[in-house]
Amino acid sequence: KNQVEQSPQSLIILEGKNCTLQCNYTVSPFSNLRWYKQDTGRGPVSLTIMTFSENTKSNGRYTATLDADTKQSSLHITASQLSDSASYICVVSAGSGTYKYIFGTGTRLKVLA
Amino acid sequence: DTGVSQDPRHKITKRGQNVTFRCDPISEHNRLYWYRQTLGQGPEFLTYFQNEAQLEKSRLLSDRFSAERPKGSFSTLEIQRTEQGDSAMYLCASSPLSGRASYEQYFGPGTRLTVT
Repeated sequence: KNQVEQSPQSLIILEGKNCTLQCNYTVSPFSNLRWYKQDTGRGPVSLTIMTFSENTKSNGRYTATLDADTKQSSLHITASQLSDSASYICVVSAGSGTYKYIFGTGTRLKVLA
Repeated sequence: DTGVSQDPRHKITKRGQNVTFRCDPISEHNRLYWYRQTLGQGPEFLTYFQNEAQLEKSRLLSDRFSAERPKGSFSTLEIQRTEQGDSAMYLCASSPLSGRASYEQYFGPGTRLTVT
């Protein structure tokens, strides 16, 4: 069964600290993996996308890694800001059709001043 | 605003009523998707259009749900005889058919449905 699991379920950190979110997937065939940021009450916004051959991708203070052998990905946030408070969703695309998205349940991050 | 737009943003309805949501995708995006997201969960796929053709429907899309994209531009999602379990955020996304951007789905702000 295609699944995407994320950990931790929620996380609280102080402003300025770093954090790492985890994503494990069992999706086949694997096409690509992306991380989305979703603010409360809003639609998800894409942060990074990685294909099978890519193992790291940065977008400002966000750095995503992918290990296709172990089927694991991580999202590292550096020097967190209050505006980073949101849900971070790991999404794996199965097969060649972009509509075959498998979503994780997300990690809810809260950054405190 | 050139992003995906959805209307209304919030809808409160009584159980048994019908509701209709609208999604306007990014101009010239051939693909359009509907998702449902309940609190604390990731979005779940409902249906997918390529131009005006509805190519895939999830088992989540019961007989009370219907989606249309008559001219291949905007789309509507109708829920008939709403139930309390239909309370959720309904998200629309779009993507082009080709090019690097076709790997991305661009999401709208969602319509929050509350069934009382």
